[in-house]
Amino acid sequence: DAKTTQPNSMESNEEEPVHLPCNHSTISGTDYIHWYRQLPSQGPEYVIHGLTSNVNNRMASLAIAEDRKSSTLILHRATLRDAAVYYCILRGSGSSGDKLTFGTGTRLAVRP
Amino acid sequence: EPEVTQTPSHQVTQMGQEVILRCVPISNHLYFYWYRQILGQKVEFLVSFYNNEISEKSEIFDDQFSVERPDGSNFTLKIRSTKLEDSAMYFCASSNRGSYYGYTFGSGTRLTVV
Repeated sequence: DAKTTQPNSMESNEEEPVHLPCNHSTISGTDYIHWYRQLPSQGPEYVIHGLTSNVNNRMASLAIAEDRKSSTLILHRATLRDAAVYYCILRGSGSSGDKLTFGTGTRLAVRP
Repeated sequence: EPEVTQTPSHQVTQMGQEVILRCVPISNHLYFYWYRQILGQKVEFLVSFYNNEISEKSEIFDDQFSVERPDGSNFTLKIRSTKLEDSAMYFCASSNRGSYYGYTFGSGTRLTVV
């Protein structure tokens, strides 16, 4: 499986933007970059995904480097409800099949 | 917004007993999954299921585990003889296949084996 590297933890102030980085230097051409988050005592929740171009949805934006070896999840205005563990996961059609391989993610704390 | 529903939310069972965890995936999804998360550890893949058969399984998914889609709506995970180390949160998920699609996870069943 192509691996991702994320900081263990980050902090943000409420109502400020948050940039969560992810490195994936061994990404293959067919791998999509997916982001999930897990709020305390809940199941993982899909946030956003992309292949090459930057993506926006109602939850977040995803900025993908031109060489695709890194990406950044952007929360435009952090709220207390955004405190969670954020996972950057590569999902492709290679030998790893369809499963998601979760790492340890980035634990985001949001200060009021 | 469509949801994946899991029942029960919490199950306590004695070691050696059989348990069945139930899930109702999103109705137009075709691919179904079970994951688990032992307290304080990573979310781990157990099994994927498509077209009424297992498409992939992990080393964790040994002969004690089985999955079934008995009636076209429910998706179940059975553990035949539970061990203490099976205590974990079990998450069901569903998806349309292809790297383009995201998964939808349920809120989980907390299994406690005593």
